[in-house]
Amino acid sequence: EADIYQTPRYLVIGTGKKITLECSQTMGHDKMYWYQQDPGMELHLIHYSYGVNSTEKGDLSSESTVSRIRTEHFPLTLESARPSHTSQYLCASSPLSSIFHEQYFGPGTRLTVT
Amino acid sequence: AQTVTQSQPEMSVQEAETVTLSCTYDTSESDYYLFWYKQPPSRQMILVIRQEAYKQQNATENRFSVNFQKAAKSFSLKISDSQLGDAAMYFCAYRTYSGNTPLVFGKGTRLSVIA
Repeated sequence: EADIYQTPRYLVIGTGKKITLECSQTMGHDKMYWYQQDPGMELHLIHYSYGVNSTEKGDLSSESTVSRIRTEHFPLTLESARPSHTSQYLCASSPLSSIFHEQYFGPGTRLTVT
Repeated sequence: AQTVTQSQPEMSVQEAETVTLSCTYDTSESDYYLFWYKQPPSRQMILVIRQEAYKQQNATENRFSVNFQKAAKSFSLKISDSQLGDAAMYFCAYRTYSGNTPLVFGKGTRLSVIA
């Protein structure tokens, strides 16, 4: 079944650690996105990509980096985690084949930095 | 830059009643796309309904419908026969016609459904 996956779903990590949040989609979508969202609050765009080897920073780059080496994979890396990074991270993808380019969201990774 | 405003941080509705969530946006473009997304508590965000600006007919998906007023730059969501499962955060979003920029989201409206 075509879907979008995020791992891990929950992560508790200490300050200063390097972490990578994984996002994969099996829908063949060209566009992928990362958002940061505190529970029940607004979405903040961190990074996005419109295809392989294409990445752009959003409004909240958040000391993070992304890569897009394969169409289906869009990992987000925090080089040095801080308590201010505690939040939920949502990955999304959208197809170029639809005129709407509507976004499909993953289940999210809830990150806690101690 | 385009902006999306949801003026109601929280709303509540009695089960089986109808509720309308407001959304206004600011753009200088004539063609664009609008969306409503639903995020239930601790669950995945899903697309509820979408609208093309150049189509005057309001979109409808089962109990969900929109009132699209292009001149007023308003895109409200009406939920009929509200159910307990409709309780969620609802986000309004805008996309330019060219598709070269990401969706612009509003800050969301938390909807509670009272049994």
